[in-house]
Amino acid sequence: DVKVTQSSRYLVKRTGEKVFLECVQDMDHENMFWYRQDPGLGLRLIYFSYDVKMKEKGDIPEGYSVSREKKERFSLILESASTNQTSMYLCASKSRGRNEQYFGPGTRLTVT
Amino acid sequence: KQEVTQIPAALSVPEGENLVLNCSFTDSAIYNLQWFRQDPGKGLTSLLLIQSSQREQTSGRLNASLDKSSGRSTLYIAASQPGDSATYLCAVMNRDDKIIFGKGTRLHILP
Repeated sequence: DVKVTQSSRYLVKRTGEKVFLECVQDMDHENMFWYRQDPGLGLRLIYFSYDVKMKEKGDIPEGYSVSREKKERFSLILESASTNQTSMYLCASKSRGRNEQYFGPGTRLTVT
Repeated sequence: KQEVTQIPAALSVPEGENLVLNCSFTDSAIYNLQWFRQDPGKGLTSLLLIQSSQREQTSGRLNASLDKSSGRSTLYIAASQPGDSATYLCAVMNRDDKIIFGKGTRLHILP
């Protein structure tokens, strides 16, 4: 079974804080993704990575950065958290090619 | 630009009924289509993946079909149970490897 884990289920941070969200997968997948999910807007892709140290911007990268130093780990960084970044953050992974995408349990981030 | 639509946004049906969820997409040049289930406050669970060369996939009480030429997919759930209550999302993978999600159908099975 593919397992994608996220470091926290719930996080509360203050405006201006630097926030790290960690995602780890155990299936040696090449591709990893970060999405945010908001009511009425669905899932929106923030960043994705198709290999170690590689990253590509998704549809809404502003205010975020990512890091992929090891194949199994993909980190999302909010350099200076803002209230409009309050959201559900979902990490996903898949192997290269036309294969299934697997999701982690999500992190509910609240920025106050 | 690919758009994925799921109608209706919400659906309530009595327990035991068979039901169909719909997904439509505007660009038929896709690699595959994947159906997911999402419980409140949780991540997405993969249900079925249909490659572009396939017409349907089955898993237990679930059957997903794909008609690429008309840009449609359906998820059929047989003999629905209260435990099937969740949001169901479909997602298509385009030829540029981008994955586009619909906004989901929120399903409620009435006991």
